[in-house]
Amino acid sequence: QQQVRQSPQSLTVWEGETAILNCSYEDSTFDYFPWYHQFPGESPALLIAIRPVSNKKEDGRFTIFFNKREKKFSLHIADSQPGDSATYFCAASDSAGNKLTFGIGTRVLVRP
Amino acid sequence: GPKVLQIPSHQIIDMGQMVTLNCDPVSNHLYFYWYKQILGQQMEFLVNFYNGKVMEKSKLFKDQFSVERPDGSYFTLKIQPTALEDSAVYFCASSPRTGGAEVFFGKGTRLTVV
Repeated sequence: QQQVRQSPQSLTVWEGETAILNCSYEDSTFDYFPWYHQFPGESPALLIAIRPVSNKKEDGRFTIFFNKREKKFSLHIADSQPGDSATYFCAASDSAGNKLTFGIGTRVLVRP
Repeated sequence: GPKVLQIPSHQIIDMGQMVTLNCDPVSNHLYFYWYKQILGQQMEFLVNFYNGKVMEKSKLFKDQFSVERPDGSYFTLKIQPTALEDSAVYFCASSPRTGGAEVFFGKGTRLTVV
C-alpha cells in the first residue's frame, strides 16, 4: 500500500522560477511531514519539515504548504537555482516517529 | 554535519549466500534504522532498533533478515540466505530520539544478488 503519493516524478524548471512538488497521504495518524533532498552520490538530507499545527513553513527559498483537510502538502522552491537540482522526497510519520513513510521522489532539474 | 557511514558502498553476492551490511551511525544517536529502496521505487522502512532491541519491523523484514549492534560497534543488517529480490539499495539511518527528531541517512549500500 502506497501511503504517501508524490508527483511529479520529474520536473524541469528554469533558473529563477518556482518549482512545486506535491504529496498526499492516507494515514490520519501521520503528524510529521519532512522533505528530504538527495544529490547524486550523497545521502538523503533533511531540508524542511512541518507539523499539522501549521499550514505553512518557510525556510529561505523553501516553503511547505500543508492542507490537513485534503491530506496534501507541497514543497515550493522559489527562485530556483541550478544548485537545487536534486531528487526531493516527501515523507510522513506518526507521533511516535519511529519510522518514515516516503514518497517515490521527484527529480528536479533547474536549467540556467 | 553529522555523518552516517555505510560500508561497503556496493556488494555483489551469489544467491543463497550470507551478506552483512555495516553502518556506523552518528556517535551520540540512540535510534537506528534500515530502509530498502528497489530501483525506481520509494525508500521503504525495514526495521528500527533501540537499546539493543528491535522496536518495530515491517513486512519487508523477512525471517532471513537480522540486525544487531554488538558492544556499540557497527549497526549491521544481515541477510541469510540472500534471494534475488533482496537486490536493492539499503540505507542506514540514525536519530538522537524519535517523535520528529531529524533522521540522518547514510549514502546507502547497493546490494546485487546474482
